[in-house]
Amino acid sequence: AQSVAQPEDQVNVAEGNPLTVKCTYSVSGNPYLFWYVQYPNRGLQFLLKYITGDNLVKGSYGFEAEFNKSQTSFHLKKPSALFSDSALYFCAVRDYGNNRLAFGKGNQVVVIP
Amino acid sequence: EAGVAQSPRYKIIEKRQSVAFWCNPISGHATLYWYQQILGQGPKLLIQFQNNGVVDDSQLPKDRFSAERLKGVDSTLKIQPAKLEDSAVYLCASSPVGFGTSASYEQYFGPGTRLTVT
Repeated sequence: AQSVAQPEDQVNVAEGNPLTVKCTYSVSGNPYLFWYVQYPNRGLQFLLKYITGDNLVKGSYGFEAEFNKSQTSFHLKKPSALFSDSALYFCAVRDYGNNRLAFGKGNQVVVIP
Repeated sequence: EAGVAQSPRYKIIEKRQSVAFWCNPISGHATLYWYQQILGQGPKLLIQFQNNGVVDDSQLPKDRFSAERLKGVDSTLKIQPAKLEDSAVYLCASSPVGFGTSASYEQYFGPGTRLTVT
């Protein structure tokens, strides 16, 4: 079964500094990888996805993620963090075979003004 | 485009009582999902519908949880009887295409129902 690891519980970053949220995955076949963001009392919002092609994927709100097959990683990045980026971020992976989306436990991002 | 609608937003019940949650997906979306999100964890899939048929309910505690999507549009998730460990946010999501081809499509989530069992 596929799985995702998000090793850090919380990421603190100063506003204007680069933001990185780490994710590693495990699947038996080719991975479909996703990042979602969750604001308080809101549902999950889609940020970006990797299906195939270019390893650097660009998404909403200035976020991007880099797919690294050899390291089985899909880290989320933003060059300059905003205070409004403070939220809970989830990495997820889908195995083409069983069509189920497996989420990591989430990373709380705190952007310090 | 209207998003995924869920109701109620909050529910407090006592253990052994029953509760039902409602979800209306984005219009035209064939696939509907129910997730359970316990505090401090990522969402866990409970059940997935393709139109009005179940394609994955392997993680649904069937002794107490049930779900239906009778007309292939809106869906209801029920818990009977509730336990303390059922306290969680229940998320509904939908995606536009069908099973087998939907792997690459993102899911659109509703705001969730926060259930507290006392």
